[in-house]
Amino acid sequence: EDQVTQSPEALRLQEGESSSLNCSYTVSGLRGLFWYRQDPGKGPEFLFTLYSAGEEKEKERLKATLTKKESFLHITAPKPEDSATYLCAVQPLGYQKVTFGTGTKLQVIP
Amino acid sequence: ETGVTQTPRHLVMGMTNKKSLKCEQHLGHNAMYWYKQSAKKPLELMFVYSLEERVENNSVPSRFSPECPNSSHLFLHLHTLQPEDSALYLCASSQVRGPGNTIYFGEGSWLTVV
Repeated sequence: EDQVTQSPEALRLQEGESSSLNCSYTVSGLRGLFWYRQDPGKGPEFLFTLYSAGEEKEKERLKATLTKKESFLHITAPKPEDSATYLCAVQPLGYQKVTFGTGTKLQVIP
Repeated sequence: ETGVTQTPRHLVMGMTNKKSLKCEQHLGHNAMYWYKQSAKKPLELMFVYSLEERVENNSVPSRFSPECPNSSHLFLHLHTLQPEDSALYLCASSQVRGPGNTIYFGEGSWLTVV
């Protein structure tokens, strides 16, 4: 059974204090790993898709990386508007179902 | 309009009511999904329609009934719900086939069962 574990559950950072969120996964062949951002009361907003180990993608202050067992979402010099819950999800090869983690709730303090 | 739109955004219903959630996607995708999101739990996949055919039904109680009349529209019909069904219901869409099946979500419908 596919599994996704995100850590930490919650993270509090000072503005400008860089850090990383972790997503560990178990899947029988990876078709794609996804990162989403979710603001309170809203649907998840797509950030990145990673397909193979070694791949990296960047968007503004966010950088996602992928290994065979985990993915990291690096946040460089975060701002208060980066506060949100970040969700990780995996999709196995040959199958449509996507399994989500429980998310990391990030709070950036001014 | 763009993306995935859901109506209503908020719904309060009694346990004996019948109501429906509506979803429309404007992305040209050929798969649509219903997810349930409860506090402290990961997103739970309820139903998947791919090319207008239901391909996934994750042991969802029969009081939830999906309908997909075409590739752009999806409904979730609700009947005799329980208080524990109160949650955020998310509609999503994606393009089947090709690399990673990126799923795009709507804003969600907050359901409260009283």
